[in-house]
Amino acid sequence: EVQLVESGGVVIQPGGSLRLSCAASGFTFVDYSMHWVRQVPGKGLEWVSLISWDGSRTYYADSVEGRFTISRDNSKNSLYLQMNSLKTEDGALYYCAKDKGSTGWLFDYWGQGTLVTVSS
Amino acid sequence: DIQMTQSPSSLSASVGDRVTITCRASQSITIYLNWYQQRPGKAPKLLIYAASSLQSGVPSRFSGSGSGTDFTLTISSLQPEDFATYFCQQSYSTPFTFGPGTKVDIK
Repeated sequence: EVQLVESGGVVIQPGGSLRLSCAASGFTFVDYSMHWVRQVPGKGLEWVSLISWDGSRTYYADSVEGRFTISRDNSKNSLYLQMNSLKTEDGALYYCAKDKGSTGWLFDYWGQGTLVTVSS
Repeated sequence: DIQMTQSPSSLSASVGDRVTITCRASQSITIYLNWYQQRPGKAPKLLIYAASSLQSGVPSRFSGSGSGTDFTLTISSLQPEDFATYFCQQSYSTPFTFGPGTKVDIK
């Protein structure tokens, strides 16, 4: 059974830094690209970032480019999101999602999310 | 960026009804269109990928169609567990954008 478990969400002040983690199990982690997707509770979904299976390629939404860094440790089956210079609008539930590895980039398994609140 | 729109934004339906949700992309995305279901307090769940392919384990009452800019998600006979919000998502190019969602609730 595929499991994705996010952690690291906290209440943090604007301008602060935070690192989210996602522990993956139930599939061969190294074989798949991975994503972060966020959602303000009660609102829509926003794709944040993508990392290829080997970490050689990364992509970001314009809203986080230059402030967030996605990374992975395939030896630990773990995905990370380093978030710097946080803004109030970065507050959301952050989901780790596995790429299906099929037609285009899409998310076939999701974690339950970790909540980031950015507030002074 | 490719903009995604959905209609309607919400609908009320009864168990057994046929429900159709439409998604439109601001430019052609060929068949790179996916549908997700999100129940309250839960993570999204992939239903349909590549416009019309049913994700493993998803009931056959869900189907998708379309190509280019116009797509449709159909639930042939609405079941109690289908009351949820449905999102479309384009996987044609970054940033991978979602539609605003369609909330399906009980009439």
